[in-house]
Amino acid sequence: SAVISQKPSRDICQRGTSLTIQCQVDSQVTMMFWYRQQPGQSLTLIATANQGSEATYESGFVIDKFPISRPNLTFSTLTVSNMSPEDSSIYLCSVEQGSSLGKAFFGQGTRLTVV
Amino acid sequence: DAKTTQPPSMDCAEGRAANLPCNHSTISGNEYVYWYRQIHSQGPQYIIHGLKNNETNEMASLIITEDRKSSTLILPHATLRDTAVYYCIVRVQYTGANSKLTFGKGITLSVRP
Repeated sequence: SAVISQKPSRDICQRGTSLTIQCQVDSQVTMMFWYRQQPGQSLTLIATANQGSEATYESGFVIDKFPISRPNLTFSTLTVSNMSPEDSSIYLCSVEQGSSLGKAFFGQGTRLTVV
Repeated sequence: DAKTTQPPSMDCAEGRAANLPCNHSTISGNEYVYWYRQIHSQGPQYIIHGLKNNETNEMASLIITEDRKSSTLILPHATLRDTAVYYCIVRVQYTGANSKLTFGKGITLSVRP
């Protein structure tokens, strides 16, 4: 298994500002993923972050709005840029390891409220 | 779109078995059935997965029909702490661009005292 720490756990931000969410893993992992969970909804994949390459974004998500960094095999950041109230969601980091037989591990999430 | 269909909700009494159904009629030969759950205000937690044989671990049992078009997650002795949204997901086992986890709406299990 992998232990994932996300920071911050929650935040309240003003519209028009940006927030960077950090995801730290206790072991080296190949694949890191960022999800969004809007209020009362299921999880939606934002992007896949691979070390040393550009993140791969899902339909409906763009790099200018959600820039991602992946500087090494244990760390990634997701920035929510130019925020609006519609960005109020829980943002979750997830990882998979090559030996994990397709099992994913999730952080506790960052609860973002934009006012 | 999610490849699975689950009822929106169900409940069971504490101490009884909870049987959570899932339909995945379009599952491919190399796709596994994975179950996750999300307890309120927490990240999803892996429960179990299987290909075609029944599987059991310390958390649950997974029963997959012979034609693999449906499965049932069994929590043998449900507790109040098992109240959560349970997601049934089909995907290939390897990690890669074509093996993303796609979450549907899941089934909300409520365990009553």
